[in-house]
Amino acid sequence: GESVGLHLPTLSVQEGDNSIINCAYSNSASDYFIWYKQESGKGPQFIIDIRSNMDKRQGQRVTVLLNKTVKHLSLQIAATQPGDSAVYFCAESFTGGGNKLTFGTGTQLKVEL
Amino acid sequence: NAGVTQTPKFRILKIGQSMTLQCTQDMNHNYMYWYRQDPGMGLKLIYYSVGAGITDKGEVPNGYNVSRSTTEDFPLRLELAAPSQTSVYFCASSQQGAGYTFGSGTRLTVV
Repeated sequence: GESVGLHLPTLSVQEGDNSIINCAYSNSASDYFIWYKQESGKGPQFIIDIRSNMDKRQGQRVTVLLNKTVKHLSLQIAATQPGDSAVYFCAESFTGGGNKLTFGTGTQLKVEL
Repeated sequence: NAGVTQTPKFRILKIGQSMTLQCTQDMNHNYMYWYRQDPGMGLKLIYYSVGAGITDKGEVPNGYNVSRSTTEDFPLRLELAAPSQTSVYFCASSQQGAGYTFGSGTRLTVV
């Protein structure tokens, strides 16, 4: 079945460094991808999205890269700050799928001072 | 602008009891969803709705029921609570082709 998985369950980075969180997806029909941030005790918060007709999209301090050839998605966070510490989820959906998102397990990002 | 509001925030149920988790959104979104999140895991879809009067099963619907009588509300019903339903429940809403807005969650423990 469809699945979205992450390569690294935990990522530790020094404050000020760049972070890269990776995600693999298996449904080749997926055409919409989102990264969410979830802080402890809170609901997931939208960070950035990308559609399959793009391979890169930038936001404020964040960049999402999409490689459809190898079904890989990554989230880059520039100048990582303590407030970036959270669990990050990638999610995918496809047109005609009822707008349902399939979520990966998540990566814990820890920012060390 | 409240977004997605879930109540209650916490609840402890005894095995066999029933309860309704409430969810309401004020963004006029057509799509609404219920997910559960077990410790250290991602979110699994329980039920979803593409508009008032329309609901459909997700990945893990057993033991739950939903209704969508209005655009704003999407309650989730547990009829006979079981320990396996101990989890954090998230409601979300969206427009078609857009990302979700999540509520803050309901932490449910079944003992």
